[in-house]
Amino acid sequence: QKEVEQNSGPLSVPEGAIASLNCTYSDRVSQSFFWYRQYSGKSPELIMSIYSNGDKEDGRFTAQLNKASQYVSLLIRDSQPSDSATYLCAVNIWRGGGADGLTFGKGTHLIIQP
Amino acid sequence: EPEVTQTPSHQVTQMGQEVILRCVPISNHLYFYWYRQILGQKVEFLVSFYNNEISEKSEIFDDQFSVERPDGSNFTLKIRSTKLEDSAMYFCASSRDQETQYFGPGTRLLVL
Repeated sequence: QKEVEQNSGPLSVPEGAIASLNCTYSDRVSQSFFWYRQYSGKSPELIMSIYSNGDKEDGRFTAQLNKASQYVSLLIRDSQPSDSATYLCAVNIWRGGGADGLTFGKGTHLIIQP
Repeated sequence: EPEVTQTPSHQVTQMGQEVILRCVPISNHLYFYWYRQILGQKVEFLVSFYNNEISEKSEIFDDQFSVERPDGSNFTLKIRSTKLEDSAMYFCASSRDQETQYFGPGTRLLVL
């Protein structure tokens, strides 16, 4: 059974600080990792994807992957009130020949305090 | 920027009725997906579709569900006989490269 675990929060961070969101996954053959942002009542919006160990930076966002520890994280620098949302971690196992569904965590509710 | 679109945005139906949820994936994408999210719960994978056939389906996607790509642009999810527990937000997603999936705005289904 594929599982993705996240702390549900809420995680409260002052404006301008770094928000750190964590995710662990159980399936060692997981190959692709994604962070989505979901505002209340809205659909998941892709923020970052990461496929290999290490860091990947995109603007204020940095995704970190450690496959040995089965751990993926998202750092948000210079947090803004508009970053307040639920952040979903998702993993994908590519089996070849077709399309594979993402397995999502329950999400971490992030609150940026002005 | 191209987006996945879904119709209707809201659907209310009586238990036992059939519903069809519609999606228009991004035009050059080849992989299509349906997910659902029950209120307050996580996003759950239902089914994926590639090359005009189901690629993968979850335990949730039982005989009450079916998917179809009736033409070159639409991708539909049919629930044959709705149950109360089918009430959820249903998201369509599409992907060009089998990796990055882009989600539509969702259809909120309420079964009474």
